[in-house]
Amino acid sequence: GAVVSQHPSRVICKSGTSVKIECRSLDFQATTMFWYRQFPKQSLMLMATSNEGSKATYEQGVEKDKFLINHASLTLSTLTVTSAHPEDSSFYICSATPPSGPNNSPLHFGNGTRLTVT
Amino acid sequence: DAKTTQPPSMDCAEGRAANLPCNHSTISGNEYVYWYRQIHSQGPQYIIHGLKNNETNEMASLIITEDRKSSTLILPHATLRDTAVYYCIVVPGGYQKVTFGTGTKLQVIP
Repeated sequence: GAVVSQHPSRVICKSGTSVKIECRSLDFQATTMFWYRQFPKQSLMLMATSNEGSKATYEQGVEKDKFLINHASLTLSTLTVTSAHPEDSSFYICSATPPSGPNNSPLHFGNGTRLTVT
Repeated sequence: DAKTTQPPSMDCAEGRAANLPCNHSTISGNEYVYWYRQIHSQGPQYIIHGLKNNETNEMASLIITEDRKSSTLILPHATLRDTAVYYCIVVPGGYQKVTFGTGTKLQVIP
């Protein structure tokens, strides 16, 4: 079945530094990928839509200059948290879906990246 | 997207069927009902989806009412590993962007 891989699974960084998270679709091409953020005991919150070959679309309230998204190929999207601060500590999750078949393909999610900013 | 309403939490005895309800009274004709679950500190896992007909796969069954305003996810023999937050989502056909509600926290009890 369709697999989405995320790397790294955990990262600890110092305040002020930048962190890059990768999201790969392993056995299908994805023109669109999605990035979510999840704080403890809360639901997933959609941050942005990553579009291959064009600019990402950000949800209201998400700073595009802070969360840089690059979708340079049909199998890879990256999220860079720039100048990270402790409040950016969260669980970041990406998703993608294979091209839709006749019965509508589901989204597949990566296993998430736990970011801790010290 | 149509909104969904789920109970915040449920308990189920191990080995028994877990029936998780979802209300989606404003669902449109072209919207699918999807179920995902999230086990602690992991990404959401797809379970099942349907449009109008009931569906069954190796993980679960999905029962959609005739008026499509509600559905029930059935885990036929719950195990401790089924303890997770279950999300019911409605999405138009071909639409990939989804937003998650608060889901139902299912606790399977030994």
